Amino acid sequence: GENVEQHPSTLSVQEGDSAVIKCTYSDSASNYFPWYKQELGKRPQLIIDIRSNVGEKKDQRIAVTLNKTAKHFSLHITETQPEDSAVYFCAASYGIKLIFGAGTRLAVHP
Amino acid sequence: EAGVTQFPSHSVIEKGQTVTLRCDPISGHDNLYWYRRVMGKEIKFLLHFVKESKQDESGMPNNRFLAERTGGTYSTLKVQPAELEDSGVYFCASSQKGGTEAFFGQGTRLTVV
Repeated sequence: GENVEQHPSTLSVQEGDSAVIKCTYSDSASNYFPWYKQELGKRPQLIIDIRSNVGEKKDQRIAVTLNKTAKHFSLHITETQPEDSAVYFCAASYGIKLIFGAGTRLAVHP
Repeated sequence: EAGVTQFPSHSVIEKGQTVTLRCDPISGHDNLYWYRRVMGKEIKFLLHFVKESKQDESGMPNNRFLAERTGGTYSTLKVQPAELEDSGVYFCASSQKGGTEAFFGQGTRLTVV
C-alpha cells in the first residue's frame, strides 16, 4: 500500500553536529520526494526536494540523497544550528498526491 | 502573494456537533489537498481536488466527513457528527500541478470533547 516510513522519530544533536533523517517508500513509481520543516506553531514549509532522475541535491547546509533501487531517501543537515530545531517530514509522490512520513522532531542544543 | 489560508485556526466542539473547516488555496492552484495530523503521527492524506472535482478521496475516514470545492476555488471540510477520534490538526495544501511543491496552510486544530 501507500506507505512512507521515517526514522528516527526524535533526534537530539549538539550545535555544529550533523543530523540525518531517513525515509523509505513502497511504490517504485514514486518520482518526487520533498522534505518539509514545521516549526512550532507554524505551517509545514518545503526546504528541499528531489526528483527520481537525480541521486543527490544540495542547498547550503542541507542535502538530500535518493537510492531508487532501495527506495530510500535521506535528509542531511550539516553544521546544525538551534534554529534548525523543528519537526521534519519526508514525503513521496503516489500518483499526484503526497504521502508523508510520521515526522522527526529534531532538537539542536547550543 | 497570499498563501494558503485556513479558518478557523482552532475549534473546540462537543462530540456529536458539526464543524466546518475552510481552506482558501493560492490563487490559480488547481490542486487542493486535505491532510490530517493526529498527535505524533504522520500527516495523513484525506483527499485531493483538481478544480472542483474530487480526484482521490481514498483517505477520508468515513461518511461523517464531507469535502466540497464548489466553483473550484475555496474548499470546505465538514465533520458531522464529530467524534473524539476526529481531534487533530487539519491541513490544507495547494499546488499548481500534481506531484510538485505543495504549499500548506497553517492548519486548523480541532478538538472534540
